This record gives sequence, structure tokens and C-alpha cells, in this order.
Amino acid sequence: NAGVTQTPKFQVLKTGQSMTLQCAQDMNHNSMYWYRQDPGMGLRLIYYSASEGTTDKGEVPNGYNVSRLNKREFSLRLESAAPSQTSVYFCASSEQRTGFNIQYFGAGTRLSVL
Amino acid sequence: AQSVTQPDIHITVSEGASLELRCNYSYGATPYLFWYVQSPGQGLQLLLKYFSGDTLVQGIKGFEAEFKRSQSSFNLRKPSVHWSDAAEYFCAVGADYKLSFGAGTTVTVRA
Repeated sequence: NAGVTQTPKFQVLKTGQSMTLQCAQDMNHNSMYWYRQDPGMGLRLIYYSASEGTTDKGEVPNGYNVSRLNKREFSLRLESAAPSQTSVYFCASSEQRTGFNIQYFGAGTRLSVL
Repeated sequence: AQSVTQPDIHITVSEGASLELRCNYSYGATPYLFWYVQSPGQGLQLLLKYFSGDTLVQGIKGFEAEFKRSQSSFNLRKPSVHWSDAAEYFCAVGADYKLSFGAGTTVTVRA
């Protein structure tokens, strides 16, 4: 049971380059999320998709775009990478039902922008 | 909007000693509260959650947490720490399908 799978695990970019971080879940969850983790700041929500076909901005969306490709996959794109986007990126997924739902996290993508 | 404060950035504890990590939240309604653990280089693993009911909740790896509405707190405890508990711990509050995390507490375990 893979859960939430993120690719790649590590990436180094030069300023101005673009890239897409991939995320897939095999738990048939409706909702998916992208977070970034920076030292001393915990995890901050970039974008989320409450259900297939919908996406919404989180706390720190600037410089990012997302695509909910289908129910399983939710990608995060950096169009023109900046050093401030050096971070660890986590994808998560959850069921969608009444109340609140547990989020399950991938192993993360460690991104350095030089 | 909800928010979480973890007052302790770093805690060092001896193996076998007890551990308590503090968490204070701000949220207007009944909160959904979580503790996650992150081992070095790994993703986040859910330790325990509070949705409603008994205010003392048990989790995995021998951890427990107590919800105190009057103090807006959800502190995490473990009676006897093992070296494998060295990690970063995050408290989070959930609302509107989103999680808001605290800054984290790093736990170091000394022999």
C-alpha cells in the first residue's frame, strides 16, 4: 500500500528554471494538498483541491500553480523558480466527508534553487 | 482564522525520562486537533487526533495528549522516552478542510 507518492525526492534548479512536482495517492481520497516546510515555520499550505476539478489558494500561493489531473494526481508547478522557493514540499490527501478528515502525507520533495 | 503556537523550539530529554510538548491553539469553534511526528528526512506521521469526546486521547508509540478547552491547549506527553523518539513534533488544528501547523518542537534524546 503506497499511500501518497511524491516525485522527485530531490531536485536542484537554477533561478528562472521551471519544474513540476508530482503527487499521486492510491487511497481513493477526494481532497489533496500541497505544503511547503521551512525551518522554524512549520508547514504552510500552498494550494489545495477539495475535490476533483477544483483548486483553491492556501496561505502562500504566489509563484506556484497546480493541476488536479484526475482523482489520484495533483501536481505543483514552479514556472520561474526563485531562491525563496528553496524548501521541502509535501503533498497530502484526505477523504472528504462531514467534519474534518485526517491528512496523510508523502515523503516530501527537497528542492534547492540556486 | 485558526493558528497554533508551540512555545518550545527545542527540548532535550534523557532516555527513560518523561516528555511533555506544549501546544496552544486559537480557533473560535470546536477544534479538530492533531499531533504529527517527523523523523529526520521523512514525511509526517500522525501520532494522535482529537475530534470530540474524551479529552485524553491515546496515540501510537505510547504517546497521549490532553485537550483542555479552558486553556486552549493540547499538550503531548510520553511517560518514558526512547532514543527513537528523537524527531520533530508538530501540533496542528484543522478547519475548513485545511490544517494549520505550529512551528514544531525538535526533541533530542540523550543516553
